Amino acid sequence: DSGVTQTPKHLITATGQRVTLRCSPRSGDLSVYWYQQSLDQGLQFLIQYYNGEERAKGNILERFSAQQFPDLHSELNLSSLELGDSALYFCASSAGLAGTNTGELFFGEGSRLTVL
Amino acid sequence: GDSVTQMEGPVTLSEEAFLTINCTYTATGYPSLFWYVQYPGEGLQLLLKATKADDKGSNKGFEATYRKETTSFHLEKGSVQVSDSAVYFCALAAMDSNYQLIWGAGTKLIIKP
Repeated sequence: DSGVTQTPKHLITATGQRVTLRCSPRSGDLSVYWYQQSLDQGLQFLIQYYNGEERAKGNILERFSAQQFPDLHSELNLSSLELGDSALYFCASSAGLAGTNTGELFFGEGSRLTVL
Repeated sequence: GDSVTQMEGPVTLSEEAFLTINCTYTATGYPSLFWYVQYPGEGLQLLLKATKADDKGSNKGFEATYRKETTSFHLEKGSVQVSDSAVYFCALAAMDSNYQLIWGAGTKLIIKP
């Protein structure tokens, strides 16, 4: 158990809809990262938050947004969903701040999104 | 920019075989190097890491040596088990990428009994 909790584990929805994925980081971790893993297993970095502030942005679509709340949990919002958004979405957390990150991330089990 | 290249999978081996999964990187300076493993139905977890040249990371019978002269960090295990079946990701973190992890594409390993 990594200590990172993601909900829901599975989600099936239709094109054009909007969903929210939730992540609770490990106790004490201030950084939260969101990743998308496609069926061919590639891992795409989406966005990172540190203590409520956006720290780094990867290949995140404009239809996607995220935030980190004062209690440090984070939500990833996906809107105007397309078939190609079907994937596993992972949240990870770390104690460190970007720039001092030693690279050890703790991953949740992921939220599997299926868009029909 | 920084990048990681790892061998394409799937890699299929018989139990007790010797494993090598190749990983090479491109980065300026002295990145830290990592192997993460993703077991079926689970999130990724850190397997081992090395933070400077000639360091050897090891865990669960797996080893990888940070070779700056060949910019490589190949993963090895002397005798694999069915339970090692997973996807293995090589990654680096470097100062010029603000220490964000740069990931390889992942290598699926299948071990047959």
